Amino acid sequence: EAQVTQNPRYLITVTGKKLTVTCSQNMNHEYMSWYRQDPGLGLRQIYYSMNVEVTDKGDVPEGYKVSRKEKRNFPLILESPSPNQTSLYFCASSPPDRGGYGYTFGSGTRLTVV
Amino acid sequence: GENVEQHPSTLSVQEGDSAVIKCTYSDSASNYFPWYKQELGKGPQLIIDIRSNVGEKKDQRIAVTLNKTAKHFSLHITETQPEDSAVYFCAASKGGGGNKLTFGTGTQLKVEL
Repeated sequence: EAQVTQNPRYLITVTGKKLTVTCSQNMNHEYMSWYRQDPGLGLRQIYYSMNVEVTDKGDVPEGYKVSRKEKRNFPLILESPSPNQTSLYFCASSPPDRGGYGYTFGSGTRLTVV
Repeated sequence: GENVEQHPSTLSVQEGDSAVIKCTYSDSASNYFPWYKQELGKGPQLIIDIRSNVGEKKDQRIAVTLNKTAKHFSLHITETQPEDSAVYFCAASKGGGGNKLTFGTGTQLKVEL
């Protein structure tokens, strides 16, 4: 089954404790992206990657890092989480140069930073 | 950059009635407009989309219309059913070399029996 898998689904952590949210896709997609979803703000792009070793900032990149060492994986790293990063996070992948078409989203990771 | 506004933020209809959700976009270069449905505990799923060379598209009970001149597009759901209850997001993309989707703020649709 074609899918984007995120882990963990739920995470509660304390301020300043480094964490990584994993994302993996089995569709051989070049393009991967991270979004955060907040009430009243919709989904906002954090980082994206056009291909292996190619990453770039989205609209709200502060406080986040990503890496793309393999085509299928695109982890999101919070080196020093803060309470304002409490949010619902989605990873997505799509074929390249499709102009936004063909996005597949993961099931989400609900992060709480206390 | 692109800005997408979505209204209303909440919408309650009776089963069998129609529901309309409206979005406006700011960048005239945007040319792809998908709609996503998000059920509780799940990621957004594409339900219908439209490209800028088309004014209307229909798929069973759902339809999308696009007015490029006014830069707005709408989702129409007819004969609503309880399983249509969800959060709906509109989005816009300029295509080209990038795949970025800019999303609206979402509409919580509730279909009441």
